[in-house]
Amino acid sequence: GQQLNQSPQSMFIQEGEDVSMNCTSSSIFNTWLWYKQDPGEGPVLLIALYKAGELTSNGRLTAQFGITRKDSFLNISASIPSDVGIYFCAGPFMPSGTYKYIFGTGTRLKVLA
Amino acid sequence: DVKVTQSSRYLVKRTGEKVFLECVQDMDHENMFWYRQDPGLGLRLIYFSYDVKMKEKGDIPEGYSVSREKKERFSLILESASTNQTSMYLCASSPYRGNQPQHFGDGTRLSIL
Repeated sequence: GQQLNQSPQSMFIQEGEDVSMNCTSSSIFNTWLWYKQDPGEGPVLLIALYKAGELTSNGRLTAQFGITRKDSFLNISASIPSDVGIYFCAGPFMPSGTYKYIFGTGTRLKVLA
Repeated sequence: DVKVTQSSRYLVKRTGEKVFLECVQDMDHENMFWYRQDPGLGLRLIYFSYDVKMKEKGDIPEGYSVSREKKERFSLILESASTNQTSMYLCASSPYRGNQPQHFGDGTRLSIL
């Protein structure tokens, strides 16, 4: 079945560093979504991408919709301690007439002060 | 602002009990979803609904049922709780039109003793 491969699985970085993570699929997507989940909380939508090649920012976060429509990238600039959490990519797909969502396995980010 | 509200953040129940998890959204979304999230397994879809009184099985429906009597409310029911249903449960909603993001509630951490 379809799956989203997310890398890296985890990363430790120093405060102030930039962070990059990516998500790849074996299938084409028309939308890419990026979420962040804090411990014990639900995922929160960070950025939604709707067009191949699109580059969208949300504060220090920038995400890109890959040209092939099979991948997406998330960058965080000048990381701060509250960036700690798990970042998920996701994409909606329609296997049988109604939309469902497939999620990446997540990138666990830890920021060292 | 988008709001998905889950009735309990933490819940402790006993084996064999019937358990109800409630979810309410205020965005007039047609689609609603129930997931469970376990370490190493990611988000797994239990059931979803694309209209009042409509429901479809997700990837792991066994041991669960759902109810959608009103558009804004989607209930997950554990008919006879078992210890392997201890998990984080997440409710989400999205508009019927395709390719739009899901929005999640804060989650219910359910422990079955």
